[in-house]
Amino acid sequence: DAGVIQSPRHEVTEMGQEVTLRCKPISGHDYLFWYRQTMMRGLELLIYFNNNVPIDDSGMPEDRFSAKMPNASFSTLKIQPSEPRDSAVYFCASSSNFRTNLGNYGYTFGSGTRLTVV
Amino acid sequence: GIQVEQSPPDLILQEGANSTLRCNFSDSVNNLQWFHQNPWGQLINLFYIPSGTKQNGRLSATTVATERYSLLYISSSQTTDSGVYFCAVEPSGNTPLVFGKGTRLSVIA
Repeated sequence: DAGVIQSPRHEVTEMGQEVTLRCKPISGHDYLFWYRQTMMRGLELLIYFNNNVPIDDSGMPEDRFSAKMPNASFSTLKIQPSEPRDSAVYFCASSSNFRTNLGNYGYTFGSGTRLTVV
Repeated sequence: GIQVEQSPPDLILQEGANSTLRCNFSDSVNNLQWFHQNPWGQLINLFYIPSGTKQNGRLSATTVATERYSLLYISSSQTTDSGVYFCAVEPSGNTPLVFGKGTRLSVIA
């Protein structure tokens, strides 16, 4: 498996523009997580899905942020309109419903999308 | 919610030195993992260690669940060990990981 795939790797956009981040989880994983990493706040959970259904979106900072998972192999995180304070690295991660032979749930992160809003 | 505290926040080592990183958590957890974020930003899973001790090469980890802490040991450090080390806990079965703020390690040749 190619792991969790995120695109784009880097995004520079102007304030007020719409930004869409994409994630392809590991095949067979049932959980998908979106995290945001900043210097001030560290790694914080934005939203997570189980079997394509959003379970907890309490970490989404405001209505400008939205996330969807239309099928088991694709998720998007959208920011509209974007603001400079949204600049951060956004990570997607996925995990399984079932424990692996190592005893964990196979929690795996993508390489992240570095977003800069100017 | 559960709190995860890591210490020290920053650490500078000479190549070849040993170090211990600590993670304290405020409540019982189902799982604890250590991650290394390399200078390119990639998060790599080092250990899944809800309790006990594990070793992988120059790295080892110990979790004492009853006392709510975990330690990551790095022996004979190398410049490639540089980066940020995160402790993350899973409060209950297959819930999202809660991360500490990390320990930034710099190994100097």
